[in-house]
Parts: sequence; C-alpha cells; structure tokens
Amino acid sequence: KQEVTQIPAALSVPEGENLVLNCSFTDSAIYNLQWFRQDPGKGLTSLLLIQSSQREQTSGRLNASLDKSSGRSTLYIAASQPGDSATYLCVKQGTGNQFYFGTGTSLTVIP
Amino acid sequence: DADVTQTPRNRITKTGKRIMLECSQTKGHDRMYWYRQDPGLGLRLIYYSFDVKDINKGEISDGYSVSRQAQAKFSLSLESAIPNQTALYFCATSDFATQETQYFGPGTRLLVL
Repeated sequence: KQEVTQIPAALSVPEGENLVLNCSFTDSAIYNLQWFRQDPGKGLTSLLLIQSSQREQTSGRLNASLDKSSGRSTLYIAASQPGDSATYLCVKQGTGNQFYFGTGTSLTVIP
Repeated sequence: DADVTQTPRNRITKTGKRIMLECSQTKGHDRMYWYRQDPGLGLRLIYYSFDVKDINKGEISDGYSVSRQAQAKFSLSLESAIPNQTALYFCATSDFATQETQYFGPGTRLLVL
C-alpha cells in the first residue's frame, strides 16, 4: 500500500520565520509531487507541482524540492505571514494517474 | 465563476436516507474524482472516472455509488446513509492530455444523524 507521510502534523511559528514542511512517500514510481493548501471549510488550492524529472519548483516565497531516491519532498516557506496559516497537503501522483494524499501539516503563523 | 462546483455545500440527513452529491466542472477535463476527508485520515478516494463510460472504485467505495452523466458532471450517491459517512466530500478533476494537477471543488460537508 502506498503511503504519504507528513511531519509535523501541526506547526506554530512566529511571523517572519522561515519554515520547512516535510513529506515522505513509499514507492519511487512517481509521476509528479504536488503541494496543496487547504483553508478551513474550503477546497484545496494547488501551490506547486514538481514533475518527476525536476528537482525543485519556486513560486514567490515558496520553494518545493523533490528527491525521488529518498522518497522525500520539502516545502520551504520564507518569511512566514499570518495569511500562510492553513493546512498544507503533499500529494503524490503515481505513474498510473492515481493520487495519494498525505494527512497534512496544520500551520499557524502567529502575528 | 468557479471551475469545479459542488452542490449542496452543506447537508444534514438521517440514517437510512438516500442522498446525492453533485459535481460539475467547466474545465473540459476528462477525469473526475470523489474523495472524502476525515480528521486525521487525509483524503481518501471513493470513486474515479477517466471518461463518461469509465467508472472505477477507489480505496473506500463501499456504501457509495456514482454516475457520470456527462463529461462535465459526476454525482456521488449514498443509497442508505449511515453516521460514519459524516465527512467532508470533495470532487476533483484532472486532464489526461496534460496530466497536470487536480482541481478541487469547494467541498460538501455532510452530517448523518
């Protein structure tokens, strides 16, 4: 059974700090790795998508990396802001177009 | 307008009732998915459809059925709702041609009493 694990489950940081969210997955057969953001009571919004041939992607203050050999991805958030408070989900897309979701990291940025 | 819409957004029903959750998309994607989200368990796949004539069971299909009425519409039914089906339900779409990210609806919060 494929598993996607996210650590930590919850994180609280003061505004302005840089932080790293971790994602690990079993089975190196991967098509892409995505990071989503979910706000309470709302759907998921795609943040970054890393194809299996890529090592990292950047968007503004966000940087995501992918290491297929070790089965790991990280999401780096620079200069965190209260508006970054949300749950962040790591999603692995397998080669058969199946999507495997992590349980998420709940981030709180304290003003 | 949102690309992926779900109706209703919230629903309270009683044990044993039949209910239907509907999903519509304007992205022109061929693939559609239904997930449920429970606290601490993440999203789990219920059913998915790769085109109008293709329906596949996901990880937790028992107690659910689906209908792909058209490329743009994918409905999830609970034939006889039970309390442990209380959850947040998400519809999503993706495009085989580009195999890019999934796009999610806003979710339907279901409470079964």
